[in-house]
Amino acid sequence: DVKVTQSSRYLVKRTGEKVFLECVQDMDHENMFWYRQDPGLGLRLIYFSYDVKMKEKGDIPEGYSVSREKKERFSLILESASTNQTSMYLCASRLFGGPYYGYTFGSGTRLTVV
Amino acid sequence: AQSVTQPDIHITVSEGASLELRCNYSYGATPYLFWYVQSPGQGLQLLLKYFSGDTLVQGIKGFEAEFKRSQSSFNLRKPSVHWSDAAEYFCAVGPNFGNEKLTFGTGTRLTIIP
Repeated sequence: DVKVTQSSRYLVKRTGEKVFLECVQDMDHENMFWYRQDPGLGLRLIYFSYDVKMKEKGDIPEGYSVSREKKERFSLILESASTNQTSMYLCASRLFGGPYYGYTFGSGTRLTVV
Repeated sequence: AQSVTQPDIHITVSEGASLELRCNYSYGATPYLFWYVQSPGQGLQLLLKYFSGDTLVQGIKGFEAEFKRSQSSFNLRKPSVHWSDAAEYFCAVGPNFGNEKLTFGTGTRLTIIP
């Protein structure tokens, strides 16, 4: 089975800190995604990457950036954390070739910004 | 633009009773449709998916869903729920071509009472 691993289950950071959320997948998937999940809003796409060194903005990219230097790793960066970025962050990956394959999700990182 | 509506934010069902979770989508052509489940504190797990052919699809854990093009719906059903089915359920839609991303609904939280 494909495994998507998010390095932290829970994080607490201070306002203004630079925060790195890491995601690693072990099945050579080309596509990777970062979502945030908030009650009543469902999953909202922050950024995605079709392949190494490629990135595309999703629906809510403001305040975030990403890095994909290696195929297996996709990092989400909060340049200057703010309290409105307190949320659950979900990483997902998928084989290249369209939505047929569905996504494989990590277990999520619950980030609290104080 | 594609979109998904899950009209029920929260549903409570007695253990052993039948279940139907509603999903309506908006998309210009035949979409790919998915149902995911999220247990508390976990990532999302794929329950089932529809691409073409038989409009009734079977998934894991005894779930099924029916695609109704005329109603733009993809409702999830289970004949008899178990306490372990308590979770949040997400419907998602994606185009049936290219490398495009999925769009998720806002989710339905399912509570099971004894």
